[in-house]
Amino acid sequence: EPEVTQTPSHQVTQMGQEVILRCVPISNHLYFYWYRQILGQKVEFLVSFYNNEISEKSEIFDDQFSVERPDGSNFTLKIRSTKLEDSAMYFCASKGTDSTNEKLFFGSGTQLSVL
Amino acid sequence: AQSVTQPDIHITVSEGASLELRCNYSYGATPYLFWYVQSPGQGLQLLLKYFSGDTLVQGIKGFEAEFKRSQSSFNLRKPSVHWSDAAEYFCAVGAVYGNKLVFGAGTILRVKS
Repeated sequence: EPEVTQTPSHQVTQMGQEVILRCVPISNHLYFYWYRQILGQKVEFLVSFYNNEISEKSEIFDDQFSVERPDGSNFTLKIRSTKLEDSAMYFCASKGTDSTNEKLFFGSGTQLSVL
Repeated sequence: AQSVTQPDIHITVSEGASLELRCNYSYGATPYLFWYVQSPGQGLQLLLKYFSGDTLVQGIKGFEAEFKRSQSSFNLRKPSVHWSDAAEYFCAVGAVYGNKLVFGAGTILRVKS
């Protein structure tokens, strides 16, 4: 079965540092997403990305966050200046053209710890 | 506002026993409902979904869920739990083609032998 791959699986950073979380979506997919889950809380939508631009974002996704598809295979989430409250599990997801959310595939997540 | 409530944070059941995980939702339009499972080190895997039609839906790994509009619920069930079912389970609501899913907080299932 196709997979969404996320690297690294764990990342530890100091407050104020920049981090980049990397995702390799399924190869023929065109819609890309980031979600996050703070420990003990709900999985929350951050942003969706299609046709090289953000199509929707949540109120969490402020100016500290950005997404990019730098080449044909990677989809990245950058946090410019991390805060303690950014500590969470970050999930990448992707789906193909005109796919229903039944065909939304999630990666295994990156656990970000901000110290 | 859209929301999903999973009232049980942890549930422990004996292997072979039946299981029911609760999910209640609030959604402005016709809800499309999903159950995902996350095993340690794994991504979120879709167990089953309800879009329309028969309100009792079957999923993978022997799971089923029943949509009850009058109760705004979509509870997940399994008649006989296996030790490999130990994982975290998430209920979610969204649109069929929409951009985002709204998740519940998850229920951690422990299975004792």
